[in-house]
Amino acid sequence: KAGVTQTPRYLIKTRGQQVTLSCSPISGHRSVSWYQQTPGQGLQFLFEYFSETQRNKGNFPGRFSGRQFSNSRSEMNVSTLELGDSALYLCASSLAGGGGAPLHFGNGTRLTVT
Amino acid sequence: AQSVTQLGSHVSVSEGALVLLRCNYSSSVPPYLFWYVQYPNQGLQLLLKYTTGATLVKGINGFEAEFKKSETSFHLTKPSAHMSDAAEYFCAVSKETSGSRLTFGEGTQLTVNP
Repeated sequence: KAGVTQTPRYLIKTRGQQVTLSCSPISGHRSVSWYQQTPGQGLQFLFEYFSETQRNKGNFPGRFSGRQFSNSRSEMNVSTLELGDSALYLCASSLAGGGGAPLHFGNGTRLTVT
Repeated sequence: AQSVTQLGSHVSVSEGALVLLRCNYSSSVPPYLFWYVQYPNQGLQLLLKYTTGATLVKGINGFEAEFKKSETSFHLTKPSAHMSDAAEYFCAVSKETSGSRLTFGEGTQLTVNP
């Protein structure tokens, strides 16, 4: 079975631009979560989608948004990029989510904002 | 609110020595606990998880962790370190009502010396 696939692996953007990151979960997994990883803040939860609905959301500004498609693939969008948005963005999938469900992570998208 | 504290951002051991990575959690309800490992330029890989039942949990690569409710701890151990164990380790907690949302500790960078 293929693992979680995130594209692109690396991205360089300029302040003020917007960016879209993509995540393809493991086949059969219906829950997709997104995390931001930075040296200063560590791993922080962005949001979770299940069956095309946002089920949970972290404490990030509205510039961060996401969606999930009927095939469970997910995208996250960051608008009006700031330097502080530079981070590794990790996507994770699980069968149905829920407490205790182990997450399977992709290798991430490294976003650099200049 | 639940939180996780990992004692020691850097741990250094000799090859063949015991590995002990410490994790304490705070949660108002019985939590689900996880240990993940992250190798450079990769996503997170699940080492082991505690949900309910046996308090000693065995994971992959020879790692295990013991859930101690009285001490609110979930320390990770491995009897004999291998060079390939060098990586960053994250303790994480979730609960039934939080879906797939994980709260991570700050991480512990493990160095294995020859």
